Amino acid sequence: SQQGEEDPQALSIQEGENATMNCSYKTSINNLQWYRQNSGRGLVHLILIRSNEREKHSGRLRVTLDTSKKSSSLLITASRAADTASYFCATVTLTGANSKLTFGKGITLSVRP
Amino acid sequence: KAGVTQTPRYLIKTRGQQVTLSCSPISGHRSVSWYQQTPGQGLQFLFEYFSETQRNKGNFPGRFSGRQFSNSRSEMNVSTLELGDSALYLCASSRMASGYNEQFFGPGTRLTVL
Repeated sequence: SQQGEEDPQALSIQEGENATMNCSYKTSINNLQWYRQNSGRGLVHLILIRSNEREKHSGRLRVTLDTSKKSSSLLITASRAADTASYFCATVTLTGANSKLTFGKGITLSVRP
Repeated sequence: KAGVTQTPRYLIKTRGQQVTLSCSPISGHRSVSWYQQTPGQGLQFLFEYFSETQRNKGNFPGRFSGRQFSNSRSEMNVSTLELGDSALYLCASSRMASGYNEQFFGPGTRLTVL
């Protein structure tokens, strides 16, 4: 079952614009992670935000987490054609001593040159 | 540092056959997780191994199994293949148990079942 649900499913923007992607989830989490996947290849970890954090930055990426609304957003500033990819949020829940990473279905981002 | 490697990269099998996929994690990583990715279901968690023990398992039938060796390399096996098993199989490694830190993914094995 999908814990994280991304929104929108697809996004098309012009190079230089900002891209905002959202992720909502249903149950309490330990942390939330964002990954990028270029067509049919492995995923690349972008950023991890813990449940007690509200915002994190990494280069052109900004991630926010609102645990009261059970939602997160990923902002890519000054987008480039190379940012074209699928983006996934993954929520981490703890069950006893075990942790479980659950991915959403992903957002397809197209950046037009 | 070498990344996560998966072999083979592509595989074509027929229904009823079995298949074994291999994953070599980044040196020093003790956790290996496996995922199945399909257009319809997205990324689905199969199982995680940590220090040779299965730590977590997703909702897949018993035809899907795995193991981890003392050098942290992992294999997954799918027996009695079905058409619906066609997918990209991804493995990911991490230093600690998955979920606590970032996972590093391999390029995947694309399995086609005819």
